[in-house]
Amino acid sequence: AQKVTQAQTEISVVEKEDVTLDCVYETRDTTYYLFWYKQPPSGELVFLIRRNSFDEQNEISGRYSWNFQKSTSSFNFTITASQVVDSAVYFCALSGLKNTGRRALTFGSGTRLQVQP
Amino acid sequence: DTGVSQNPRHKITKRGQNVTFRCDPISEHNRLYWYRQTLGQGPEFLTYFQNEAQLEKSRLLSDRFSAERPKGSFSTLEIQRTEQGDSAMYLCASSHDSRRNIAYEQYFGPGTRLTVT
Repeated sequence: AQKVTQAQTEISVVEKEDVTLDCVYETRDTTYYLFWYKQPPSGELVFLIRRNSFDEQNEISGRYSWNFQKSTSSFNFTITASQVVDSAVYFCALSGLKNTGRRALTFGSGTRLQVQP
Repeated sequence: DTGVSQNPRHKITKRGQNVTFRCDPISEHNRLYWYRQTLGQGPEFLTYFQNEAQLEKSRLLSDRFSAERPKGSFSTLEIQRTEQGDSAMYLCASSHDSRRNIAYEQYFGPGTRLTVT
C-alpha cells in the first residue's frame, strides 16, 4: 500500500520568509514518481513538479526548490522569499507504475500555507 | 490548450436524486481520472480510463457510481440515489502517456462541488 504523510497541517509565515513543507512517503514499488500540487482558494489543483525515484537531484525553479532524499523517503518543498500569492494548500502525491498502467495519485492530506503581508 | 474543463461547477441536489457530471480532458490526453475530495483532505482516486477503456475502479466507487468515456474523449460520472455522504468536490484529471512522452503528470480540472441536502 502507498501512503503519503504531510505532518504540517497549517503553516503561517510573514512575507519574504522562507518556508519548507515536509512530505514523507511509503511505497513498496521500486519505481515511482513524486509530485507536488498547489491548490489555491479557487480550488483547481496546479501541477508544480514531478520527480522519479531514480533521480535524486535537487531541483530549483525560481523561488521553489525541492529536496528528494530516498534514504529517508522524503520529498520536501521549500519556498524562498514567500509572497502572499503563495498562500494555498499544497499537496504531495505519489504514483507507482502498475501492471494496468495505472498512475493514479495517492495524495497526502495537504499543508495549508498562509503568507501574511 | 484549453485545459481540463468540468461541468457543472456546482450542483445542489436532494437526497435520492441522480446526478451526472461531465469532464472534458485536454484534447490529446489519452488517460482520464476521477477523484473525490472532501474538506480538509487530499483527493482520493475513484477510477481511470485509458482511451475509452475503464481500467481500474477504487473500492470507494460503490454500485451507485458509474463512469463512462465514450469514444475516448469526454467522460461522465453519474451518481444514483445520492446520499449526504456523497457531498464532496469531484475532480477530473487527464494525462498523456506514451513510450516517447514520459510526462506522467496529471492536469486537473476545476472540479464539480456536489452538495446533497
